[in-house]
Amino acid sequence: DQQVKQNSPSLSVQEGRISILNCDYTNSMFDYFLWYKKYPAEGPTFLISISSIKDKNEDGRFTVFLNKSAKHLSLHIVPSQPGDSAVYFCAATGGTSYGKLTFGQGTILTVHP
Amino acid sequence: NAGVTQTPKFQVLKTGQSMTLQCAQDMNHNSMYWYRQDPGMGLRLIYYSASEGTTDKGEVPNGYNVSRLNKREFSLRLESAAPSQTSVYFCASTPLRATDTQYFGPGTRLTVL
Repeated sequence: DQQVKQNSPSLSVQEGRISILNCDYTNSMFDYFLWYKKYPAEGPTFLISISSIKDKNEDGRFTVFLNKSAKHLSLHIVPSQPGDSAVYFCAATGGTSYGKLTFGQGTILTVHP
Repeated sequence: NAGVTQTPKFQVLKTGQSMTLQCAQDMNHNSMYWYRQDPGMGLRLIYYSASEGTTDKGEVPNGYNVSRLNKREFSLRLESAAPSQTSVYFCASTPLRATDTQYFGPGTRLTVL
């Protein structure tokens, strides 16, 4: 039972345009959500997070939106840069899973110059 | 300040062999985690240790054992390796719980023949 899903395995975007990565979850007890970025042969690195008491969190070029009623979150990258090319994972925690992260499958983002 | 270190970086085992993956962090973090990453599956939690002296099962603990040797070190042992355990293994640590940023090591790529 995949509680966190990223339904797009890959996304290709032109440099300077917006990248939108999507994530859906099924566990209504999740109340904290994170995005991680991963380059090949490296461990994931934290990018941005959002608590369920908010519907938007912004950090520079990165914005995460949370729609609790739809159990959906998205990561917007504006403007996209070639260095953003990586695998992006969303993760969630909360309820009885508090203290443990549940990850989505990941989306490979490629930003073309 | 090395962050989270993992040894070895690569390992090839034959079915039935045993080995221990080592993880250490120098950030004085309380919680440590072991994940495995498989294609199309994202990261799945194997075991975690909320604090020194405690360990708990994650989503996929079968075939593994862990030891929280001290606050710095958290090892993962495969007693009798199986081809299904071929994966990339990541160790992570966090100051307190999962809502704090998790810092990941570079990973160990394990192949079981």
